Amino acid sequence: GAGVSQSPSNKVTEKGKDVELRCDPISGHTALYWYRQRLGQGLEFLIYFQGNSAPDKSGLPSDRFSAERTGESVSTLTIQRTQQEDSAVYLCASSLTLTNTGELFFGEGSRLTVL
Amino acid sequence: KQEVTQIPAALSVPEGENLVLNCSFTDSAIYNLQWFRQDPGKGLTSLLLIQSSQREQTSGRLNASLDKSSGRSTLYIAASQPGDSATYLCAVNDSGTYKYIFGTGTRLKVLA
Repeated sequence: GAGVSQSPSNKVTEKGKDVELRCDPISGHTALYWYRQRLGQGLEFLIYFQGNSAPDKSGLPSDRFSAERTGESVSTLTIQRTQQEDSAVYLCASSLTLTNTGELFFGEGSRLTVL
Repeated sequence: KQEVTQIPAALSVPEGENLVLNCSFTDSAIYNLQWFRQDPGKGLTSLLLIQSSQREQTSGRLNASLDKSSGRSTLYIAASQPGDSATYLCAVNDSGTYKYIFGTGTRLKVLA
């Protein structure tokens, strides 16, 4: 696609429910990143995928968080048993490559509110 | 562990002024440094990318410099306009981990 696409743009859920967030990267981009941005805070790294290599999951805050990506296409971030502290904007970004020329392009984000 | 700091946290200037935003990082082992702007409620828009071997990049009224050995980058905005009002973020692509590590941003307000 022309840009990074994320859905839903807004999600309101009740505490304890599971949510799934979707990211469609720019076509041909091998690297895909997920970040979390709490209100008034900076970007917190969650996970990245590079081609068919094992993802770097070192930023996932708990085992309630998981993410998948099939090949170089769509990725889904799943949060199980949501808590109020999970409320944030979840941003996805993609890059053509992981090396020094790899410019990062972001989607508009998915705003999650846990009541 | 790579850490990125941006100073100042907030800045308010009259229209037409030239201004400098600062970014510092603790580990010089980076692939590149990227500057972004973020408008309220929006995602991040890429402004400039400086590869680790480069010293500066320019785009229109924006000029970004990189001094990798001292762990510093500056974003220079010439002849600021109210439309430049946004939060500006810098991020380094850490060559040890491939992660982009972000600063907390500088919130810029340009007054008409």
